[in-house]
Amino acid sequence: AQSVAQPEDQVNVAEGNPLTVKCTYSVSGNPYLFWYVQYPNRGLQFLLKYITGDNLVKGSYGFEAEFNKSQTSFHLKKPSALVSDSALYFCAVSSPDMNRDDKIIFGKGTRLHILP
Amino acid sequence: GAVVSQHPSRVICKSGTSVKIECRSLDFQATTMFWYRQFPKQSLMLMATSNEGSKATYEQGVEKDKFLINHASLTLSTLTVTSAHPEDSSFYICSARAPVGNTIYFGEGSWLTVV
Repeated sequence: AQSVAQPEDQVNVAEGNPLTVKCTYSVSGNPYLFWYVQYPNRGLQFLLKYITGDNLVKGSYGFEAEFNKSQTSFHLKKPSALVSDSALYFCAVSSPDMNRDDKIIFGKGTRLHILP
Repeated sequence: GAVVSQHPSRVICKSGTSVKIECRSLDFQATTMFWYRQFPKQSLMLMATSNEGSKATYEQGVEKDKFLINHASLTLSTLTVTSAHPEDSSFYICSARAPVGNTIYFGEGSWLTVV
């Protein structure tokens, strides 16, 4: 069965330090991987995606993520955290090989707190 | 960039009435749109997949007669909560798949409160 795991409910990072939000996945076939951010009482904003090509993907607001096929991971990273990065982050996966085409599966979310 | 608009952002309705939420893709045509429900401090629960010109595909456990989905055009999908009850109160989010790049863009969400 396809799944996405975000093992941390919450991550606390001091402002200016590097941050990592973890994501691992299980899907048959080639994965399409996404990161979204949700601010309080708002919808989800697209940050970045991996479809194919370079394993290191750069996205919005200085975020990047590295696709690691052997570890089935797609961790979100940023070299220097800002207080404004505090939000809820969702990892998601879809695959053209899924039985239900177009279906996207979300992780449970990781709340990121950047401490001033 | 691609934008998905959702309206209304907040709505309050009385128990037993119906309420409609609209989801529009503003700068691309979306053959597929998705409707999610999010409970406080939880992840998104996929309710249904809306395909233009055909019936929506509902996830297991979602009442299709209660949550009516209509994808009448390539830029508009609607979710109608019929005979609303207080337990239907939630944050509803729509999304649309862009035709190029396979990226899914989300609306801002709609807060529904049933009193």
